[in-house]
Amino acid sequence: DIQMTQSPSSLSASVGDTVTITCRASQSISSYLNWYQQRPGKAPILLIYGASRSQSGVPSRFSGSGAGTDFTLTISSLQAEDSATYHCQQTFGLLWTFGQGTKLEIK
Amino acid sequence: QVHLVQSGAEVKKPGASVKVSCKASGYNFTTTDINWVRQATGQGLEWMGWMNTNTGKTAYAQKFQGRVTMTADTSTSTAYMALSSLNTEDTAVYFCARGVVSRVAAAVGYYYFSYMDVWGKGTAVSVSS
Repeated sequence: DIQMTQSPSSLSASVGDTVTITCRASQSISSYLNWYQQRPGKAPILLIYGASRSQSGVPSRFSGSGAGTDFTLTISSLQAEDSATYHCQQTFGLLWTFGQGTKLEIK
Repeated sequence: QVHLVQSGAEVKKPGASVKVSCKASGYNFTTTDINWVRQATGQGLEWMGWMNTNTGKTAYAQKFQGRVTMTADTSTSTAYMALSSLNTEDTAVYFCARGVVSRVAAAVGYYYFSYMDVWGKGTAVSVSS
């Protein structure tokens, strides 16, 4: 299985800040990388697919980049409602895996 | 509007089986896959597998091979996930999610990006003696 490692596991930032979350794959996955946001007690929401392509309706402050093994999710101009856990997921081949998640707290 | 409505919470004994349903509405059920993802309390998401609702083809994570079965009833637009030989570590919320593929032009040919764009609200499964 392809292992996905996210960092940091958690972080805290203020409204208006810019934060970056990274996701590293154990082998090259080209651009087959998605990002999801999950608020407590809720189902995940798709933010980014194909490493950098925004899902319809997602605020433009969310952006993704990377290819191969290293990927980033950047959230600019943080809002209070961005407090959530963010998950990366690889969809290279038939068997998919998630990272362990990054919990973002807004101070 | 696209919706996935899951069955209610389950309580099972170790060694038992559970079957969770996921009823789709608002789109043509057989044009997309259904994925199953679980999440233990305080833990990350764990992908279990997907099923092509048109062909019946499945792909299961190695961890669940031999214990999980994903099926679908196209007449009712309902997908099912059955998990057998339950143990306490299977206690989790189980989500179904619609899997779609987007074709994007590349330098040569196309990329076919898969992702889950609509999710059910989850079904809590508790395994305890």
